[in-house]
Amino acid sequence: SQQGEEDPQALSIQEGENATMNCSYKTSINNLQWYRQNSGRGLVHLILIRSNEREKHSGRLRVTLDTSKKSSSLLITASRAADTASYFCATDGRYNQGGKLIFGQGTELSVKP
Amino acid sequence: NAGVMQNPRHLVRRRGQEARLRCSPMKGHSHVYWYRQLPEEGLKFMVYLQKENIIDESGMPKERFSAEFPKEGPSILRIQQVVRGDSAAYFCASSSGQGAQETQYFGPGTRLLVL
Repeated sequence: SQQGEEDPQALSIQEGENATMNCSYKTSINNLQWYRQNSGRGLVHLILIRSNEREKHSGRLRVTLDTSKKSSSLLITASRAADTASYFCATDGRYNQGGKLIFGQGTELSVKP
Repeated sequence: NAGVMQNPRHLVRRRGQEARLRCSPMKGHSHVYWYRQLPEEGLKFMVYLQKENIIDESGMPKERFSAEFPKEGPSILRIQQVVRGDSAAYFCASSSGQGAQETQYFGPGTRLLVL
């Protein structure tokens, strides 16, 4: 079955540095989404990129998608301590019925002030 | 516009009891999804519902778990005769259309602890 996988599993950086997280998946998709989850909280939607898009920006976030390699990356520029959270990619699977999302295991980002 | 609401936020049950988790989707959303998150893991899809219909329940355990989304009122995820392995965070998400084309917005989750 399709599964998104993020790497690294954990990332620790200093405030002001850039953070890059990668996601790989196995089957064809319609779109890929990135979510953030603060410890003990719900998920916050960050950005959605469609399969016919290669790059998308939202504020300090930049997402790329390479459907030939079945991979995506999330770049957070000029990181802040408040960016500390777990980041998940989620794919829909082009041929699945309904809209269920398949989540990866997540990357735990720690931004030190 | 209120977001997705879930209650209770925390639920403690003893083995063998029933757990009822509620989810009110965002206003105008008619598609509801339930996911489960075990400690230190990503979210796993359980079930997708529209009003009065179960569309995809491929992620639901075969026994003890059921879900509904009635014409009126919130969506309910029910777990009968809970066991310790049911301890997890249960998240509900909603969207305005079929999820492949629409963003799913998540609620704050219900954290179930089975003693």
